[in-house]
Amino acid sequence: QSVLTQPPSVSGVPGQRVTISCTGSGSNIGAGYDVHWYQQFPGTAPKLLIYDNNNRPSGIPDRFSGSKSGTSASLAITGLQAEDEADYYCQSFDSSLIAWVFGGGTKLTVL
Amino acid sequence: VQVQESGPGLVKPSETLSLTCAVSGGSISRYYWSWIRQPAGKGLEWFGRIYASGSTDYNPSLKSRVTMSVDTSKNQLSLKLKSVTAADTAVYYCASSGFYGDAFDIWGQGTPVTVSS
Repeated sequence: QSVLTQPPSVSGVPGQRVTISCTGSGSNIGAGYDVHWYQQFPGTAPKLLIYDNNNRPSGIPDRFSGSKSGTSASLAITGLQAEDEADYYCQSFDSSLIAWVFGGGTKLTVL
Repeated sequence: VQVQESGPGLVKPSETLSLTCAVSGGSISRYYWSWIRQPAGKGLEWFGRIYASGSTDYNPSLKSRVTMSVDTSKNQLSLKLKSVTAADTAVYYCASSGFYGDAFDIWGQGTPVTVSS
């Protein structure tokens, strides 16, 4: 059971907008800690997609965006492409656990 | 900056797992360095982090079994995990943070570890 809760799977068709939620609690996202998002393809390391809730590292397309409100955060992908099919993870800090924690991951399928 | 993890691949139960992370193309002193693992088909777990000075922050859930060290002369990090069990079977990643806050922006390709007799 992950501290941050993500839906196990989401799907969409090319060109569509999809969102992935990340629900935490008052000791992590709700406490004001930043949320980061990663993209992972099978057999490869995670790649930073969004940092500090809504910022993109250089090289990340603006189709990817993040938001945060209360005890939750979301990753949005617009203009969905077949190459976006991957696993996505959220990450934040938990003050009760005194550790950086990750969501359980969401598998995005492009239909 | 490139990161390369290495390890034994197979470790027997109750033994100590030792992993190394070699950093090239940049100074190891510039970033915080964390170890993160991922069991097959599962999510990510943060072990702890170390700075070039040697200061560490460990995940309390693993603290009693984990030791991290840094060798700035070799630009290398090390992880030791003692008393391993099958539950420690995973891909182990070395990752850095500090450039984009506490987000992990540079990752190694990971090294698989299997705990089995």
